[in-house]
Amino acid sequence: GESVGLHLPTLSVQEGDNSIINCAYSNSASDYFIWYKQESGKGPQFIIDIRSNMDKRQGQRVTVLLNKTVKHLSLQIAATQPGDSAVYFCAEMLNDMRFGAGTRLTVKP
Amino acid sequence: NAGVMQNPRHLVRRRGQEARLRCSPMKGHSHVYWYRQLPEEGLKFMVYLQKENIIDESGMPKERFSAEFPKEGPSILRIQQVVRGDSAAYFCASSPTRQGNEQFFGPGTRLTVL
Repeated sequence: GESVGLHLPTLSVQEGDNSIINCAYSNSASDYFIWYKQESGKGPQFIIDIRSNMDKRQGQRVTVLLNKTVKHLSLQIAATQPGDSAVYFCAEMLNDMRFGAGTRLTVKP
Repeated sequence: NAGVMQNPRHLVRRRGQEARLRCSPMKGHSHVYWYRQLPEEGLKFMVYLQKENIIDESGMPKERFSAEFPKEGPSILRIQQVVRGDSAAYFCASSPTRQGNEQFFGPGTRLTVL
């Protein structure tokens, strides 16, 4: 799923599978990127960040990949669990933080 | 260490009334950001403030909306003469510095305009 447009794209995966959520950012000069997770009725929560001098960063069960050539960011979630069901936003930072539209991840048991 | 606090969590107003949304940043954070989120949409930047200063209000409507972050007390987002289109979730975030830092989000205020 790609975070474009105003209405949330959705991604549905089976529990235990890997998830890949994509994001196209807008400004080639942006130097800091964050993935946030937002559960229903709650504020966004930080998942992982990456600076523009890196291509890849790994966290616990999550990996962020940055392709500056095509201005593309992806979030990979390993062994997706029901608790991962949420809306995922990428954000780019230049002068201010700008958010993508988000992707809704649904995990099927 | 308490996180970002927002109140009220839910606010109902009738058209034409005023809405005041409050945000207390995390301890030690002097940078505050307000975002609006419509249902099934992403977060839209509204305004960025430091103590007693508005740094960037490029995302805020020119009329009816104002924001402040006084020397003492919470940041306030004020919407005058609310209309139905103002119904949304309003999130506040704070960070210790501006550049290259994670923003910590509050739980949001859900505004409903009748």
